[in-house]
This record gives sequence, structure tokens and C-alpha cells, in this order.
Amino acid sequence: DIQMTQSPSSLSASVGDRVTITCRASQSISSSLNWYQQKPGKAPKRLIYGASSLQSGVPSRFSGSGSGTDFSLTISSLLPEDFATYYCQQTYSGPPTFGQGTKVEIK
Amino acid sequence: EVQLLESGGGLVQPGGSLRLSCAASGFTFSNYDMSWVRQAPGKGLEWVSSSSAIGGGTYYADSVKGRFTVSRDNSKNTLYLEMKSLRVGDTAVYYCAKATCGGNCYRFDCWGQGTLVTVSS
Repeated sequence: DIQMTQSPSSLSASVGDRVTITCRASQSISSSLNWYQQKPGKAPKRLIYGASSLQSGVPSRFSGSGSGTDFSLTISSLLPEDFATYYCQQTYSGPPTFGQGTKVEIK
Repeated sequence: EVQLLESGGGLVQPGGSLRLSCAASGFTFSNYDMSWVRQAPGKGLEWVSSSSAIGGGTYYADSVKGRFTVSRDNSKNTLYLEMKSLRVGDTAVYYCAKATCGGNCYRFDCWGQGTLVTVSS
């Protein structure tokens, strides 16, 4: 199985900050990566697919980059509604695997 | 608008059984792979099982293989998860997720709101 490792596991940031979360795959997954946002008690919501394509309706302050084994999700200017947990997921081969999550908290 | 609505969760004793359902609407259900993904309390996301739209293939995580059975009824636009020999470790919110394609596809673009399964004596 392909292992996905996110860093950091949590971070504290202020409104307006630029935030970057990284995700590393245990083997090359090309650009087969999704990013999700999850708020407490809610289902995950897809933000990014194909490593860098923005899901329709998702604000442009979210962006994704990377290919192969190293990926990142960047929020250019954090808003109050962005405080949540973020997960990466490889879609390259089964079984699909997720990173352990990065919790973005208010500083 | 794509909608996925899970039901069937609840409290069950260890060794017991439960059947989850996921009613889908807003898309041509028969064309897309569907999966179950679970989340234990305070933990991350874990893929459980998938039903392929092409060829009828079914796939399982090692942790549930032999105990869980996924099926789909395309005439009712519904995905099911039959869970047997339940363990305390199966306690989680179970989400139904739609893939963006058919045929061994795990690119999930839409998730239901989840249904809670609690395994406890």
C-alpha cells in the first residue's frame, strides 16, 4: 500500500497568514492526489484534484502543487472559515490511502 | 445537485451485524464507482470498501475483508454495506463517497454526511 505522510500534524496561524501543508507519498503517484477540507462534524470536502486543479466553487486562495512523491497545499491568506483539518489522498492505485491530517488552528 | 444520504448506523454489540445504506441522487448512479470510508472518533480517514461500476468488482480493506460486504442496487440508486462480526475497533462514522469515474476509481468528489456506528457492550 502507498503510505501518505502529511506535515505538520497541526499548526497555529492567524487570519491573513499564508499557510502551506505538505504531503509525501511512499512511492511516485504522478499527479494523482486530492486535497480535502474537513470541519468538525462534517463530511470531507474536496478542494484540489489532480494535485493542482481547483474544485469548482472553491476559493482561489487555495492552491495545490507537486508531482511524483512531494505535494503541497497552500492557503494564500487565511480566513476564519479556513480553520479546519486538511487531508491528502492518493488516487493513483488501490487501496486509496489518506494522510493523517493537518489541523489548522487559530493562533 | 449530487446528494448522498447514509442511513442504518447505530449501537451494536461486539459480534453483531448492521447494514448501512447510501441513497444517491443527482447523477447517473450506475456509471460511477462508489466507496465507503470511515473515520473513528478523533482519528483520520480510512477507506473501507468500493463497488465498481464496471464489471461489478468489489474491493475491501484488509481490516474488514471477510466480515463486510459491499453491494449496489442500480435500480434503486443505492449502495449498501453489510457488516458482520463487528468489533469495537469498527466504531466510526461511515461515509459514502462517489468517485469521478468507473472502474477501479478512487477519485472521490462528493461525500455523504455520514452515519455513526458504535460497537460496544
